[in-house]
Amino acid sequence: NAGVTQTPKFQVLKTGQSMTLQCAQDMNHNSMYWYRQDPGMGLRLIYYSASEGTTDKGEVPNGYNVSRLNKREFSLRLESAAPSQTSVYFCAITGFLARGWELFFGEGSRLTVL
Amino acid sequence: GESVGLHLPTLSVQEGDNSIINCAYSNSASDYFIWYKQESGKGPQFIIDIRSNMDKRQGQRVTVLLNKTVKHLSLQIAATQPGDSAVYFCAERWENRDDKIIFGKGTRLHILP
Repeated sequence: NAGVTQTPKFQVLKTGQSMTLQCAQDMNHNSMYWYRQDPGMGLRLIYYSASEGTTDKGEVPNGYNVSRLNKREFSLRLESAAPSQTSVYFCAITGFLARGWELFFGEGSRLTVL
Repeated sequence: GESVGLHLPTLSVQEGDNSIINCAYSNSASDYFIWYKQESGKGPQFIIDIRSNMDKRQGQRVTVLLNKTVKHLSLQIAATQPGDSAVYFCAERWENRDDKIIFGKGTRLHILP
């Protein structure tokens, strides 16, 4: 997962608290993504950013806000956390390598909302 | 889009046999498809990709087949090994939506000794 760094890796919140998940990349790629993965399920797109200064909703954007601060960083904010937002959150970036176009993932941030 | 609340289907395969994992995608305008492998506690990792102008692509022990008529993708793993045990996801890139990438539901591959 070199190139995509997520913080924090673990977080426990109480219902109604707010927090921000940070994602930074050192690969100089344009597109960045936030996904969530619930236990035993697939990845669902929350928000994505095709370039610095732009963001778009994915499949499950409700309850989240994002900010593409610069080309390197894409943050995900929960303004008022709910138990339904308990999940593992993955940041990802896209770019071209020798073998073609790829989507790289960070190691994930495990969030529990009590 | 993906249904909420469904658990992943499981495919059980004897070690040494071939595995075939299927995926239905949603957008006929998608131009690029990728298969990912996810081991427990880790993020997804790239396996193989295929562009929409291709029907088949082969890698090391893996083959991806694309049927655009029925919007179906499959991943074939030859001579399945214990290390292949993981959850496998397909993903599609929506061509006209600024690199919007949507994942399929996923399949858990279980290797029998």
